[in-house]
Amino acid sequence: GDSVTQMEGPVTLSEEAFLTINCTYTATGYPSLFWYVQYPGEGLQLLLKATKADDKGSNKGFEATYRKETTSFHLEKGSVQVSDSAVYFCALSDGTDKLIFGTGTRLQVFP
Amino acid sequence: DTEVTQTPKHLVMGMTNKKSLKCEQHMGHRAMYWYKQKAKKPPELMFVYSYEKLSINESVPSRFSPECPNSSLLNLHLHALQPEDSALYLCASSQQLAGPHHMLFFGSGTQLSVL
Repeated sequence: GDSVTQMEGPVTLSEEAFLTINCTYTATGYPSLFWYVQYPGEGLQLLLKATKADDKGSNKGFEATYRKETTSFHLEKGSVQVSDSAVYFCALSDGTDKLIFGTGTRLQVFP
Repeated sequence: DTEVTQTPKHLVMGMTNKKSLKCEQHMGHRAMYWYKQKAKKPPELMFVYSYEKLSINESVPSRFSPECPNSSLLNLHLHALQPEDSALYLCASSQQLAGPHHMLFFGSGTQLSVL
């Protein structure tokens, strides 16, 4: 079945460092791809999305490009802040009623 | 209003208690979801309602009973829970059930502890 694989965390960075969180997927069709973020003690928030190959989703300085050839949707940010510390979930929607989540990657940013 | 509101935020209950979790959205979304999230794990889908009808039950034990009284409200009734049911319970809604715009809006969750 369809699945999402994320890099193991935690990812520990200093403020203003460059961030990459890797996400790859397996799907038989043409899924839509999402990044959700969960801040401590809160629910998940949609960060960005891409619905077809070569689409780039972006929000709050974060970007991810839907790469069909490498089945990837890596999350990047040029300069992280302490307030970006959270857990990031990659997810796919394969056209059924379910959203398939990766295992999550914890990001810790230190001043 | 782009919020999904869940109450209560925290709940402690004994194994013989009956309690309910509540979820409300006023975005006109027609799909609503219950997820269970254990610490350091992704959310696990429990139930999906579409147009107020139960669409998916992910083989959830009968001690969890969902209810969708109207298009804005979703309840989760709890009875005779076990300590391993302690988790964060998340409600979510989406404009449509599936497809390229299957974006979920989540509430902040109810942190449930079963003693």
